[in-house]
Amino acid sequence: QVQLQESGPGLVKPSETLSLTCTVSGYSISSGYYWGWIRQPPGKGLEWIGSIYHSGSTYYNPSLKSRVTISVDTSKNQFSLKLTSVTAADRAVYYCARGTSATGTDAWGQGTLVTVSS
Amino acid sequence: EIVLTQSPGTLSLSPGERATLSCRASQSVSSSYLAWYQQKPGQAPRLLIYGASSRATGIPDRFSGSGSGTDFTLTISRLEPEDFAVYYCQQFGTSPPGYTFGQGTKLEIK
Repeated sequence: QVQLQESGPGLVKPSETLSLTCTVSGYSISSGYYWGWIRQPPGKGLEWIGSIYHSGSTYYNPSLKSRVTISVDTSKNQFSLKLTSVTAADRAVYYCARGTSATGTDAWGQGTLVTVSS
Repeated sequence: EIVLTQSPGTLSLSPGERATLSCRASQSVSSSYLAWYQQKPGQAPRLLIYGASSRATGIPDRFSGSGSGTDFTLTISRLEPEDFAVYYCQQFGTSPPGYTFGQGTKLEIK
């Protein structure tokens, strides 16, 4: 049973960089799937941020692309999100997840709330 | 960029009734890449349907998906108390590659 767990600071200052890590257990990232990040502002809908394949190929939401970097560390079975120049609009619950375009996003972390405030 | 519009925004029904949720795309979507999710308060979304009509592992058969092109539907044949939640559709597009979610439909108890 695959499990995903987000970790990282819950509070980030405006203009700084949000950094989160997702640790995967029960499945090797190297075995396949795309690994991605989705966020949800409190009380609002879901927004896909970006995804990465174990080989390192990535694709990002065009609206966030200039600020987002997703990377993978197969030796630690982790993947990470960096979002630069954050503002209050980036306050959200951030989920890491596993999926494919054809089989949907079938495994999710529990989510972590990140607040942007000085 | 494809936009997904879900309707209605809120659906008020009673347990035992049939629920029909709509997801309309701004341009044609591959059925292979259309999924539905259920989200309850304080929880991560749960995959219900992928490929427009295939149930994910462990999903009861009262949930079914259908549709093609620009119009897709999630049907819950007979509502159980645990089905009251927010539902999202999602598509994967290839140009540019990436995912889009609908804005969600809240299914509430009448």
